[in-house]
Amino acid sequence: GAGVSQSPSNKVTEKGKDVELRCDPISGHTALYWYRQSLGQGLEFLIYFQGNSAPDKSGLPSDRFSAERTGGSVSTLTIQRTQQEDSAVYLCASSSQGASNQPQHFGDGTRLSIL
Amino acid sequence: GQQVMQIPQYQHVQEGEDFTTYCNSSTTLSNIQWYKQRPGGHPVFLIQLVKSGEVKKQKRLTFQFGEAKKNSSLHITATQTTDVGTYFCASGASSGDKLTFGTGTRLAVRP
Repeated sequence: GAGVSQSPSNKVTEKGKDVELRCDPISGHTALYWYRQSLGQGLEFLIYFQGNSAPDKSGLPSDRFSAERTGGSVSTLTIQRTQQEDSAVYLCASSSQGASNQPQHFGDGTRLSIL
Repeated sequence: GQQVMQIPQYQHVQEGEDFTTYCNSSTTLSNIQWYKQRPGGHPVFLIQLVKSGEVKKQKRLTFQFGEAKKNSSLHITATQTTDVGTYFCASGASSGDKLTFGTGTRLAVRP
C-alpha cells in the first residue's frame, strides 16, 4: 500500500512569508507526528496527533508554528512569518496507534529553504 | 520529560571494522526501537526490543536491550559502505507514551 506522502518535496520562500506543509499518512494510522531536522542534526519533535485526543504541541518552537489534522487523516503544518532559522527538512510520520511500541513510518520530508 | 542519550555522536570506521552505538536512559523503558537514516533519506524502522535482556539479530546487526531496560546497543559486524547513515534509537517510558527519539549516531565507512 501507499506510504506516508508529503508535499511539497521542496519549498523555497522569502523571509516573512507563510508556508503550509502537507502530510498524508498511511490509511488507517491514527497517530501522526511532525519532526524538524536541520542539516546533520537529529529529529526535533514538533507535534503529535493521536485519534481524537487533543494534540501534544509541546515541541512547537514558537507561536508562529501551528498544525491541524482534519478528519483524522491529512495534516498541515503552517509556519507564519518565516525566519531563516526555520530552514530545515520537515518530516511527518504515522503509526497504527499512538503507543510507543508501534513503529513509525516516515515520509520523504519537505525541504524548506528561507531566503 | 524522558531523555534518551546516544553515544557516540559520530564514528568513522574502516570498512570491515566493527561498530557499536549505545542508547542510555535514566528511566526504565517500556521498549526500544532502532531506525536507520541513509544520507538524504528518511528514518526507516529496523527493529523493536521489548523484553529485559533481549537480543535480536539481523544479518550483521545485533541489537540488545539491557537487563534493567535502561540501555540498548546496536552492533554492526564487519561494516560495509552500505551501512553508512545515522542510527537512531527511540523509546517510550510506557507503551502509552509517544515515542521519543535519541540524538542519533552518524556512521561513516572508509572503503
